[in-house]
Amino acid sequence: NAGVTQTPKFQVLKTGQSMTLQCAQDMNHEYMSWYRQDPGMGLRLIHYSVGAGITDQGEVPNGYNVSRSTTEDFPLRLLSAAPSQTSVYFCASSYSTGQGVSGYTFGSGTRLTVV
Amino acid sequence: DQQVKQNSPSLSVQEGRISILNCDYTNSMFDYFLWYKKYPAEGPTFLISISSIKDKNEDGRFTVFLNKSAKHLSLHIVPSQPGDSAVYFCGVLYNFNKFYFGSGTKLNVKP
Repeated sequence: NAGVTQTPKFQVLKTGQSMTLQCAQDMNHEYMSWYRQDPGMGLRLIHYSVGAGITDQGEVPNGYNVSRSTTEDFPLRLLSAAPSQTSVYFCASSYSTGQGVSGYTFGSGTRLTVV
Repeated sequence: DQQVKQNSPSLSVQEGRISILNCDYTNSMFDYFLWYKKYPAEGPTFLISISSIKDKNEDGRFTVFLNKSAKHLSLHIVPSQPGDSAVYFCGVLYNFNKFYFGSGTKLNVKP
């Protein structure tokens, strides 16, 4: 009964380093998304996926890559970290209904600092 | 340009009274709306949602109202409790794939 699990919880990177933020869900949800949250702003969508093998860009995709090889996992890759990517990252999953999405569940977040 | 606006960054309410949080959006094509709350150092928690075909949805102490002509969404919490103190974000779903979120309103419920 884990829901959405994100790892790591905290990470410090040097400018130019790469890393992968992990996200896994055990609810068989088809939709998964990555958001970043910055002070004074709401969540901004980075990338999302509507099912295994299908991904698309959100509002702020630059500097990030994703893939969805399984229903359960949706990793977010930072190719070359920049200080502007210092943020708190949230992964979310949900499933579709006839009128929208439901079961919207967020992970507990990854706090990333790029120095 | 912001698709979703929460113009009140903070709200203070006495315990037992009603809390009303407001949200305005720009695009009449948005078809699904939700509210979530967030405590410090925790992930967001889904609270309540509403489809564009409805104008009201209730879940216990929480009611969301949708005024499509005014492009306005509101969340009513009655009665407010100190444990409701958190930051509340409204979100809109576009084309069943993309969510846009407001900048949040910090609610403080005083005992």
